[in-house]
Amino acid sequence: NAGVTQTPKFRVLKTGQSMTLLCAQDMNHEYMYWYRQDPGMGLRLIHYSVGEGTTAKGEVPDGYNVSRLKKQNFLLGLESAAPSQTSVYFCASSPLTLAKNIQYFGAGTRLSVL
Amino acid sequence: DQQVKQNSPSLSVQEGRISILNCDYTNSMFDYFLWYKKYPAEGPTFLISISSIKDKNEDGRFTVFLNKSAKHLSLHIVPSQPGDSAVYFCAAQASTGTASKLTFGTGTRLQVTL
Repeated sequence: NAGVTQTPKFRVLKTGQSMTLLCAQDMNHEYMYWYRQDPGMGLRLIHYSVGEGTTAKGEVPDGYNVSRLKKQNFLLGLESAAPSQTSVYFCASSPLTLAKNIQYFGAGTRLSVL
Repeated sequence: DQQVKQNSPSLSVQEGRISILNCDYTNSMFDYFLWYKKYPAEGPTFLISISSIKDKNEDGRFTVFLNKSAKHLSLHIVPSQPGDSAVYFCAAQASTGTASKLTFGTGTRLQVTL
């Protein structure tokens, strides 16, 4: 039972490079989320999706784009990476419910931008 | 504007004793609260939750208490075990709206010593 799988686990980028982080879930969840975690900041929501083909901005969306072409996948893109985007990125998913939103997380992607 | 606050960055407790982790919130629209546990190099995992219609929820060694008037919740771990050493995040949800988003606190690192 894989749950939420994130690839890659680690990545080092140079300033200005682009990359895509992939999140895949096998729980048939409607909702998916991308967070970043920085020291002393907790988890901050970047973008989220309430279903296939839909995305919305979270708390810190600038510099990121997302796509949800398939229900099980949620991609996070950095078009031109900046050192401020050095962080640990977590993907999460949750079932379709307005209440009791228990989110299930992947193991994270550690990104360094030099 | 930190809507969910965990004012203690770290806590050290002896094995067998009680661990009490605290969380305060400011948004009166929050009506569901969760605790997540995170080990290094892993994603957060759901631990326990409580709805605003309750003031206590218990699951084995873990109990969450909610004081709505004080906008305060706490997680009690009794007895504490070395395997409980992790970072604990408090999260809150306002179930109104089109998508269920969580707002996370900054985390408390618990160390259970022998």
